[in-house]
Amino acid sequence: LAKTTQPISMDSYEGQEVNITCSHNNIATNDYITWYQQFPSQGPRFIIQGYKTKVTNEVASLFIPADRKSSTLSLPRVSLSDTAVYYCLVGDRGGYNKLIFGAGTRLAVHP
Amino acid sequence: DTGVSQDPRHKITKRGQNVTFRCDPISEHNRLYWYRQTLGQGPEFLTYFQNEAQLEKSRLLSDRFSAERPKGSFSTLEIQRTEQGDSAMYLCASSSPGQGDPYIETQYFGPGTRLLVL
Repeated sequence: LAKTTQPISMDSYEGQEVNITCSHNNIATNDYITWYQQFPSQGPRFIIQGYKTKVTNEVASLFIPADRKSSTLSLPRVSLSDTAVYYCLVGDRGGYNKLIFGAGTRLAVHP
Repeated sequence: DTGVSQDPRHKITKRGQNVTFRCDPISEHNRLYWYRQTLGQGPEFLTYFQNEAQLEKSRLLSDRFSAERPKGSFSTLEIQRTEQGDSAMYLCASSSPGQGDPYIETQYFGPGTRLLVL
């Protein structure tokens, strides 16, 4: 599975848009990208996933360029409750996935 | 609530005791995973079930650990002769490859069981 690299931490303010970029240079043809959010003492919460181009749901957007070597999670107008750790993972289409988590990005949203 | 549930949410035990955790996956999911998460780290894969078959075990899963999924529904994770190093959050996730795009899997996690070994 492709290894992912993302910033260790980020800071933002309420109402701003936050973009977290994840690098996955060795992503394979069959791999897709998934993002999770985790609050302290809770299980990871699925945010969004995609294979290519752009995916949008009610909470976030995921931008994947044509070469798929990186992806960007975009959180519009963050609030204090978006303070959490965000994980970017790469999974194999068609197979089962033992997700390999890195350290994630600790996002702190300030008033 | 139709999400993944885990029981208990917290467990405090003394070193050397046995503990058992339970995971109830989303009902139509045939895939079930166990992960372990220590403070400040991301979750680490422990084992995977497809229906009742345990198809993969991480080397993190020593012989003191055993997991079962009888009848392909709920799963249990037992730790025998607990050690202080077993203190962690134990997470369960379930999925079904048939949801949405059939070639992309989405794992849904439970709230976890936090174990403290004294």
